[in-house]
Amino acid sequence: GENVEQHPSTLSVQEGDSAVIKCTYSDSASNYFPWYKQELGKRPQLIIDIRSNVGEKKDQRIAVTLNKTAKHFSLHITETQPEDSAVYFCAAQGSFSGGYNKLIFGAGTRLAVHP
Amino acid sequence: NAGVTQTPKFQVLKTGQSMTLQCAQDMNHEYMSWYRQDPGMGLRLIHYSVGAGITDQGEVPNGYNVSRSTTEDFPLRLLSAAPSQTSVYFCASRISGFGTDTQYFGPGTRLTVL
Repeated sequence: GENVEQHPSTLSVQEGDSAVIKCTYSDSASNYFPWYKQELGKRPQLIIDIRSNVGEKKDQRIAVTLNKTAKHFSLHITETQPEDSAVYFCAAQGSFSGGYNKLIFGAGTRLAVHP
Repeated sequence: NAGVTQTPKFQVLKTGQSMTLQCAQDMNHEYMSWYRQDPGMGLRLIHYSVGAGITDQGEVPNGYNVSRSTTEDFPLRLLSAAPSQTSVYFCASRISGFGTDTQYFGPGTRLTVL
């Protein structure tokens, strides 16, 4: 079935360094790839997303890249800050029978940014 | 708008008990879904609905029932709770079952089954 693999499961960086989280997906028909940030005890919240008609998207310190041929996409956080510490989930859009869309999530990456 | 709301925030059940987790949204979204979150396993889809009166199973539906009588509400019922259902449950919604609209999550319900 469809799945999304996410690496690494944990990531520890020093404040100011960059962090990169990578995901691969199996469904070649996927065309939407959101990233969610989940702080401890809180709900997942969308931080950035990318659609298959573009290869890269940036929003201040956050960027996402997509390689549809290789079926992988990555989240890049530059100049990390302690408040970036959280669990990050990637997701890829799959489809149900009937044509409806669903999001398939990776297992998550726990990012720790140390001052 | 309140967005997506869930009640209760916390619940402890004994094995075999039943209960209903409530979810509501005030954004007139057609698509609603339930996920469970377990350590190291991400968010797994339990059930989803593409509109009032239409529901279907996700990846891990066993032990759960849903119904959708209104656009706003999408309750999740645990029929006979088991320790394996100890988890954090998130309800989510987006505009429609098609397309690539942003999916919004509720605050979650932390369930413990003893």
